[in-house]
Amino acid sequence: AQTVTQSQPEMSVQEAETVTLSCTYDTSESDYYLFWYKQPPSRQMILVIRQEAYKQQNATENRFSVNFQKAAKSFSLKISDSQLGDAAMYFCAYRGYNTDKLIFGTGTRLQVFP
Amino acid sequence: DARVTQTPRHKVTEMGQEVTMRCQPILGHNTVFWYRQTMMQGLELLAYFRNRAPLDDSGMPKDRFSAEMPDATLATLKIQPSEPRDSAVYFCASGLGSGGETQYFGPGTRLLVL
Repeated sequence: AQTVTQSQPEMSVQEAETVTLSCTYDTSESDYYLFWYKQPPSRQMILVIRQEAYKQQNATENRFSVNFQKAAKSFSLKISDSQLGDAAMYFCAYRGYNTDKLIFGTGTRLQVFP
Repeated sequence: DARVTQTPRHKVTEMGQEVTMRCQPILGHNTVFWYRQTMMQGLELLAYFRNRAPLDDSGMPKDRFSAEMPDATLATLKIQPSEPRDSAVYFCASGLGSGGETQYFGPGTRLLVL
């Protein structure tokens, strides 16, 4: 069965600095999708970024980028120029190519200090 | 912009009462998911539908939970009778089907069963 591991329960970063959140996963599939979702205090789950496993190029969305290492089964999220509004829980999620089910990690709470 | 809506946003009820949660998926999305988030279990998939047909409800306690899609614009999750252990945040998400399409989450219903 697929699993997703986020080994950092909490992280903190100074405003305007860069922070990297870690995620590893376990799967025997060769094709799949990976996601990062943000959950602010409002509890709304917001998609941050997605990556298709067949694409070698790392996904980027403005200040958010990923470091996708398929062989290592690693999918880290880098937040550049951190802002106070980035403070939230961040969840890494896996979805198999032929499945609909999202498998979530346990989340990393990110604090941003002025 | 298009969003998944959920009602009610908050619900406090007493053990043994019936609880009904509603979800309006994004117009045009044919797949609807129900997730539950608790501190202990994290985010877990309860059930999901495609084109209004249930595809998987293996994550749902069958004896007290039921999920339906009366029409393409409404999904319901019902708990009868409710128990304190059902206290959680229940999320609805919708998407455009399989193939790794992104799931878009609603704001959630925070349920407290006393």
